[in-house]
Amino acid sequence: GIQVEQSPPDLILQEGANSTLRCNFSDSVNNLQWFHQNPWGQLINLFYIPSGTKQNGRLSATTVATERYSLLYISSSQTTDSGVYFCAVERVNAGNMLTFGGGTRLMVKP
Amino acid sequence: DTAVSQTPKYLVTQMGNDKSIKCEQNLGHDTMYWYKQDSKKFLKIMFSYNNKELIINETVPNRFSPKSPDKAHLNLHINSLELGDSAVYFCASSPHWNGEQYFGPGTRLTVT
Repeated sequence: GIQVEQSPPDLILQEGANSTLRCNFSDSVNNLQWFHQNPWGQLINLFYIPSGTKQNGRLSATTVATERYSLLYISSSQTTDSGVYFCAVERVNAGNMLTFGGGTRLMVKP
Repeated sequence: DTAVSQTPKYLVTQMGNDKSIKCEQNLGHDTMYWYKQDSKKFLKIMFSYNNKELIINETVPNRFSPKSPDKAHLNLHINSLELGDSAVYFCASSPHWNGEQYFGPGTRLTVT
């Protein structure tokens, strides 16, 4: 099956700092999503981004499908950004079954 | 309005029992899913289902079975529960076989 690797596994930031999270995948994909799992366990959709660049407030994401990676940018981080960020991909012809990376655990300190 | 809902939120039960988790979506989506998140936060697909086809992840034991009474619901039945089944189970839906998936709040299952 497809391999999805996220880096870094853990990240500690001071409030106001910027960061970049990376997701590498081993095969062609139809679908790529970024999620934020908050401390209460909810999985919140951030981006649906199989290719290209999108922005939503302080967050933006870029997927370069031909090179099999995606980046999530967080600018001016806030304590509410803390949690685990997951990248998930659907391999081509996989019935839209997402394969998740191991996540990046982010802690933003005040 | 909750888009994807699950009941119960918490479920504590003993080994050997049979239990069900319910999932409902009010998004009008055609396709629904079940995922399992283990104690290390790793998320893994279990099933992908619409009214035409069920796709089962080959690693899922046959004690687990999805049941869909209608397009808006996909329930998860688990027979003969084992300690290793303890996890958080997430339901999700998408408009059709491809497209963005939306997740429910999760059900934390504890098997004692």
